[in-house]
Amino acid sequence: DIQMTQSPATLSASVGDRVTITCRASQSVSGYLAWFQQKPGKAPKLLIYKASSLEGGVPSRFSGSGSGTEFTLTISSLQPDDFATYFCQHYDSYPWTFGQGTKVEIK
Amino acid sequence: QVQLVESGGGVVQPGRSLRLSCAVSGFTFSDYGMHWVRQTADTGLEWVAVISNDGSVKFYADSVKGRFTISRDTSMNMLYLQMNDLRTDDTAIYYCAKKSCGGECSHGYFDYWGQGTLVTVSS
Repeated sequence: DIQMTQSPATLSASVGDRVTITCRASQSVSGYLAWFQQKPGKAPKLLIYKASSLEGGVPSRFSGSGSGTEFTLTISSLQPDDFATYFCQHYDSYPWTFGQGTKVEIK
Repeated sequence: QVQLVESGGGVVQPGRSLRLSCAVSGFTFSDYGMHWVRQTADTGLEWVAVISNDGSVKFYADSVKGRFTISRDTSMNMLYLQMNDLRTDDTAIYYCAKKSCGGECSHGYFDYWGQGTLVTVSS
């Protein structure tokens, strides 16, 4: 199975900050990498697919980059609605696996 | 709009069975593969199973293989997860999720999720 490792586990930031979350795969996932946002009691929401493609309706302050085994999610200017937990997930081959999550907290 | 609504969760004793359902609407169900994913506070998100758009291909996580069965009823727009021989570590919120692309597409991702249904396995 491909292991997905996210860092950091927790991130404290202020409104307006630029935030970067890293996701590392134990082997290449060929760019088949998605990012999700999850708020308490809610289902995950798709933000980014194919490493860097923005899902429709997602604000342009979210961006994804990377290839092979190293990926990043960047929020260019953190907004109050962005305080949440973020997960990466590969869909290259079964079993699909997730990172353990990064909680973005208010500083 | 796309809607996925899970049901069937509850409290069940170890070794017993439970069937989860996912009612879908807002898209042509027969065109898309569907997944089950579960989540716990301790272990995070875990992909459980996938079924192809026509039901002919199924894959399972090793942790549930031989105990869980994914199925679909296209006439009813329903997805199911039959869970047998339940264990305490099956306790989780179970989500159904839609595959992003239809037919034979090889690399679809999760584009829509239901709100989840809680399964608690406890004596």
